[in-house]
Amino acid sequence: GAGVSQTPSNKVTEKGKYVELRCDPISGHTALYWYRQSLGQGPEFLIYFQGTGAADDSGLPNDRFFAVRPEGSVSTLKIQRTERGDSAVYLCASSLDPGRVGETEAFFGQGTRLTVV
Amino acid sequence: DAKTTQPPSMDCAEGRAANLPCNHSTISGNEYVYWYRQIHSQGPQYIIHGLKNNETNEMASLIITEDRKSSTLILPHATLRDTAVYYCIVRSPNRDDKIIFGKGTRLHILP
Repeated sequence: GAGVSQTPSNKVTEKGKYVELRCDPISGHTALYWYRQSLGQGPEFLIYFQGTGAADDSGLPNDRFFAVRPEGSVSTLKIQRTERGDSAVYLCASSLDPGRVGETEAFFGQGTRLTVV
Repeated sequence: DAKTTQPPSMDCAEGRAANLPCNHSTISGNEYVYWYRQIHSQGPQYIIHGLKNNETNEMASLIITEDRKSSTLILPHATLRDTAVYYCIVRSPNRDDKIIFGKGTRLHILP
């Protein structure tokens, strides 16, 4: 079956521009996570959705970062006024139900590599 | 912050068992131990999880100490394709609890 899909796979943008990164989770998964990963580091938590609402957005670094999941499935991570330090791989994951043992495993997409020049 | 401590890197000969340790001395009673791995240029992949009993699946075995303060992931017959960064994570089955990664262990399988 289809896994977590992220588009685009690569994005190069100029400093100061606005970008949107899309995540299509596995159908029926209620939880959706965004992470970013810099070279040599583990994934860094950004935001977590349970359904349509952001259950935890404590990892968003500043107000230039925003994410939505309006219908409880597809999510978009939006970055305004991009900076070179935003360059990283942005990972999305989904899980069936993080509150039920046996349905908590997260499935990750291949990521979007964002390069800000 | 991650609640686990892992060695930064390990080597293992191909065909031998790879034993990856993880310390989680502050684990709470309802928190599970999860293992994920990340092969170069891919997203993390779930391997296994457990609460207090040892667990085994087609990928690996998970041994959790009786006091639950540490665990070991065992890949019984390591292959070159097992070269990856392995992450040990503790998390409760709570809808409010997110998945927090540490730095993991970079496992090199040597031919």
